[in-house]
Amino acid sequence: DGGITQSPKYLFRKEGQNVTLSCEQNLNHDAMYWYRQDPGQGLRLIYYSQIVNDFQKGDIAEGYSVSREKKESFPLTVTSAQKNPTAFYLCASRDDDLGGNTIYFGEGSWLTVV
Amino acid sequence: EDKVVQSPLSLVVHEGDTVTLNCSYEVTNFRSLLWYKQEKKAPTFLFMLTSSGIEKKSGRLSSILDKKELFSILNITATQTGDSAVYLCAVEAGWNYGGSQGNLIFGKGTKLSVKP
Repeated sequence: DGGITQSPKYLFRKEGQNVTLSCEQNLNHDAMYWYRQDPGQGLRLIYYSQIVNDFQKGDIAEGYSVSREKKESFPLTVTSAQKNPTAFYLCASRDDDLGGNTIYFGEGSWLTVV
Repeated sequence: EDKVVQSPLSLVVHEGDTVTLNCSYEVTNFRSLLWYKQEKKAPTFLFMLTSSGIEKKSGRLSSILDKKELFSILNITATQTGDSAVYLCAVEAGWNYGGSQGNLIFGKGTKLSVKP
């Protein structure tokens, strides 16, 4: 079945370490997104990519990095420069031709810094 | 600065009650407004609204958009415990990047708790 797969679902990281969250989709979508969700907050955009080999910063990109070498994959690296990385991370993709109601979300990744 | 504000932030009701969730927005280049339901992990799509005054319905849920006053409401009638979730409102606004699609700006959500 088509969909978005995020991994790992739960991740613990020591302070000062980088960690990479995986996001893979087999929906043939051009656009992919990474959001962060904190308690009491809505989803905030970290990075987005409209096409392979291109990506743009969202509202809270500091301390994060991404790559888009393949259409199916949009990994997010949480670097040691991110001061408060403990959060729930959601990856999403969208079919550009059909608009916002065709956005698909992954199951999310919980990152905890210990 | 683009923003989406939802109210109330949390709401506790009893089964059978009717609830109204509010979403107001200030964005440049409005394209559409979307409602999502988030129970545990990923949000699930409920409605997309682009035109004022046209109600969208799905079972006990309905939603309407007022583009003049810049707000939307989500109504849930005869609530059930399964309606307990966080309801997210998002507005799609035009990219500055120059692409044809918009960026989604999310509100903080309304946490609805339905008690038996």
